[in-house]
Amino acid sequence: EAQVTQNPRYLITVTGKKLTVTCSQNMNHEYMSWYRQDPGLGLRQIYYSMNVEVTDKGDVPEGYKVSRKEKRNFPLILESPSPNQTSLYFCASSLLTGPTNTGELFFGEGSRLTVL
Amino acid sequence: AQSVAQPEDQVNVAEGNPLTVKCTYSVSGNPYLFWYVQYPNRGLQFLLKYITGDNLVKGSYGFEAEFNKSQTSFHLKKPSALVSDSALYFCAVRAPSGGYQKVTFGIGTKLQVIP
Repeated sequence: EAQVTQNPRYLITVTGKKLTVTCSQNMNHEYMSWYRQDPGLGLRQIYYSMNVEVTDKGDVPEGYKVSRKEKRNFPLILESPSPNQTSLYFCASSLLTGPTNTGELFFGEGSRLTVL
Repeated sequence: AQSVAQPEDQVNVAEGNPLTVKCTYSVSGNPYLFWYVQYPNRGLQFLLKYITGDNLVKGSYGFEAEFNKSQTSFHLKKPSALVSDSALYFCAVRAPSGGYQKVTFGIGTKLQVIP
C-alpha cells in the first residue's frame, strides 16, 4: 500500500530536549516536505526537499532542521524544542514531475507534538 | 510572495443542496491550484487540481472546481452535498515565485453538512 508513515504520532516532551520526527514514503517520490498545522493559521511549510541531499527552507524554518540522506526518508529535527513548537506536524511527498512541479501531495497521518 | 485566502471559516449546507467553498489566491505568474480534504484525526487527502487547460476541473467524490483567472479564484463545488462530506477543506497554490516548490495553503474551511 502506498503511504507516508510518520513516527511518533503523539509526543509530549520538555523544553530543550532534542527530538526527531521520522517520515518515510514507499512511493519513490523525489519531493518531500514538512508542514505544521495550527488553529487559525492553516498549514505552513517548514522545509522541503527535491531529492537526496537537496533541501530548502519553507515559510517557517526557524527552530527546525531536516536531512535527506535517503530518498524515502525525511526526518524533522527539533534541536531545542520550545513551547511555541507545540503543533500538529505533517509530512508529505509527491512526484517531481519536472521543473514546474504539478504533482499532488500525499500526506502522512500527522504527529501531534506538545512541548512543556 | 504567494498567498491563499479562504474567506469562510465554516460553511453550513443542508444535505442534498449544492455546496461552494471559496478560495482566492495572489501570485505572480501562472499558478497551480489544489484542493485537499482533511477528516478528523487524519492527514490531508488530495481532491483535485488545476494546472492548465479547461477552467472546470473534476475530482474525487463528485467535487469540482472552477478556475477564474480574472477573479483569481478557485472555488470548490459539489452539486449535492452528503453528510459524509463534512470535513475541513484546504485550498493550496504553487507558483513561479516559489519555484513551484513552495506550497502555500489557506487556513481551511470547515464544511458542515446538515442531515
